[in-house]
Amino acid sequence: GAGVSQSPRYKVTKRGQDVTLRCDPISSHATLYWYQQALGQGPEFLTYFNYEAQPDKSGLPSDRFSAERPEGSISTLTIQRTEQRDSAMYRCASSGTDQETQYFGPGTRLLVL
Amino acid sequence: GESVGLHLPTLSVQEGDNSIINCAYSNSASDYFIWYKQESGKGPQFIIDIRSNMDKRQGQRVTVLLNKTVKHLSLQIAATQPGDSAVYFCAENLGTGRRALTFGSGTRLQVQP
Repeated sequence: GAGVSQSPRYKVTKRGQDVTLRCDPISSHATLYWYQQALGQGPEFLTYFNYEAQPDKSGLPSDRFSAERPEGSISTLTIQRTEQRDSAMYRCASSGTDQETQYFGPGTRLLVL
Repeated sequence: GESVGLHLPTLSVQEGDNSIINCAYSNSASDYFIWYKQESGKGPQFIIDIRSNMDKRQGQRVTVLLNKTVKHLSLQIAATQPGDSAVYFCAENLGTGRRALTFGSGTRLQVQP
């Protein structure tokens, strides 16, 4: 595709519900990243994939957060039993390889009530 | 759309002037540095990058300077235009095989017409 796309753009959920966010990277990009961005701050790393492998998930804040990329293209980020503190912008980025520039998508704004 | 950088340092310049945005990074092992521009409601947009074996790199109207001695990075924008108004983030890659980017706190650039 022309750029990284994410869906939904906005998600409102109630505390305790599970949510799944989707990222569609630039086609042929091997590496995909997930970041969390709070208002007024830069993105903070959550996890990344090289194709379907997940070499680093050190940034995931708790075991309620998980990510998948089963076929090495589209990725999902799932947050189980959401809490109000999970409210943030979730950004996906992709790069040709893990040595190259990361290009960001428009993000999903998550609001947990 | 979202409001990025509610309480960020702000640099205000006149249209046509040159802008210099500064960033101090923390890790002497970082080997790759990037500047991103983020407009309201959008994801970070790549501007320019530099590797640690260089001290200067030029793009179209932008120059990045790297001073490894004092761990300082700067972005120079020539002939600043109203369309340059945004929040600017520097980001570093911590090296040692870790591909995640660590972002600085951001600077808001306001261009006065």
